[in-house]
Amino acid sequence: DIQMTQSPSSLSASVGDRVTITCRASQSISTYLNWYQQKPGKAPKLLIYAATNLHAGVSSGFSGSGSGTDFTLTISSLQPEDFATYYCQQTYSSTPYTFGQGTRLDI
Amino acid sequence: QVQLQESGPGLVKPSQTLSLTCTVSGASISRGSYYWTWIRQPAGKAPEWIGRIYNNGNTDYNPSLKSRLTLSIDTSKNQFSLNLRSVTAADTAVYYCARERNALWWLDPWGQGTLVTVSS
Repeated sequence: DIQMTQSPSSLSASVGDRVTITCRASQSISTYLNWYQQKPGKAPKLLIYAATNLHAGVSSGFSGSGSGTDFTLTISSLQPEDFATYYCQQTYSSTPYTFGQGTRLDI
Repeated sequence: QVQLQESGPGLVKPSQTLSLTCTVSGASISRGSYYWTWIRQPAGKAPEWIGRIYNNGNTDYNPSLKSRLTLSIDTSKNQFSLNLRSVTAADTAVYYCARERNALWWLDPWGQGTLVTVSS
């Protein structure tokens, strides 16, 4: 299986901060990389697909970049509703499609 | 608006079979372009992709679960189901169903999730 490693595992920030979360794949996955946001007790929600594409209805404050093995999720100006856990997921090649371990974003 | 809802027992005894159903509303699961997928998440851990099924019954399974797993689909009821045999405490998790876009492989939307505990 392809291993996905996120950094940092947790992060403290303030409203208005610019935040970057990194995801690294154990082998090249082209741009087959999705980002999800999960709030406590809720299902994950899709933010970014294919590394750089903003899902419909998602705030333009979120952006994704990267290809190959290194990817980033950037939140340009943190809003109160952005405090959550973020997961990357690779969907390259055959299943299973593995997730990173998550990055918890706290105030 | 597409919505998914998981249903099934919240408590399963060790060695028994975990059975869940996902009911889809707002879209027909017979329509192409999407797979119908199960994911689980143990408390405090990352999600784990379990498997998916297409409207023609074709399936893809996580190799780590393949020997115990069966997915099925009932297009007349707009439902798909999961059966996981010989469960242990390690199968305790919140189980989610989700729609998976063909070729792009993103998951959206997800059901709200259902907690399944394996315990005697």
